[in-house]
Amino acid sequence: EPEVTQTPSHQVTQMGQEVILRCVPISNHLYFYWYRQILGQKVEFLVSFYNNEISEKSEIFDDQFSVERPDGSNFTLKIRSTKLEDSAMYFCASSSLTGGIPNEQFFGPGTRLTVL
Amino acid sequence: QKEVEQNSGPLSVPEGAIASLNCTYSDRGSQSFFWYRQYSGKSPELIMFIYSNGDKEDGRFTAQLNKASQYVSLLIRDSQPSDSATYLCAVNRYNTDKLIFGTGTRLQVFP
Repeated sequence: EPEVTQTPSHQVTQMGQEVILRCVPISNHLYFYWYRQILGQKVEFLVSFYNNEISEKSEIFDDQFSVERPDGSNFTLKIRSTKLEDSAMYFCASSSLTGGIPNEQFFGPGTRLTVL
Repeated sequence: QKEVEQNSGPLSVPEGAIASLNCTYSDRGSQSFFWYRQYSGKSPELIMFIYSNGDKEDGRFTAQLNKASQYVSLLIRDSQPSDSATYLCAVNRYNTDKLIFGTGTRLQVFP
């Protein structure tokens, strides 16, 4: 069964450093998402991406965040200057479309980001 | 008022019993409703989704939606210890992409 994959599974970085989290969505899906989950808290939406542009973003997704689809398979989340409060699990998700409307979202295994 | 509200639990049920998980939402513009299961340290795994009022059954799982009461529930029949996890309710508003999650209900099924 096709699934979303993410690398790395765990990333440790120093405060102020840039990190890139990578995702390979399910191959025939056209909508891509990033969510994060701070330890012990709920899953929070960051951004959605469709047709090579951001479709929607939350207030969390400020100027230090960016997303990119550098090729036909990868979808990345870059955090330019990490802060301690960016420590969280970051989940990539993808969905197919029906009639131009995204269907249910399938989540990858996540990347645990630890900022020291 | 929280957008999506769930009792954090834990909800403890014996093996073989029916587990009933509840979720309320505040936005009447919500149109799609999802139940995800999340094991500790793992990612959300989609169990079911429901769009229309009423019941939707899939194996041991039944989702129930009442838009007038802004209430969605998940019933798990013949609960197994392997069902022990946190169950996340997520809601999607019409014409937006994002899922809004509740904090989840922790279910414990004991043998």
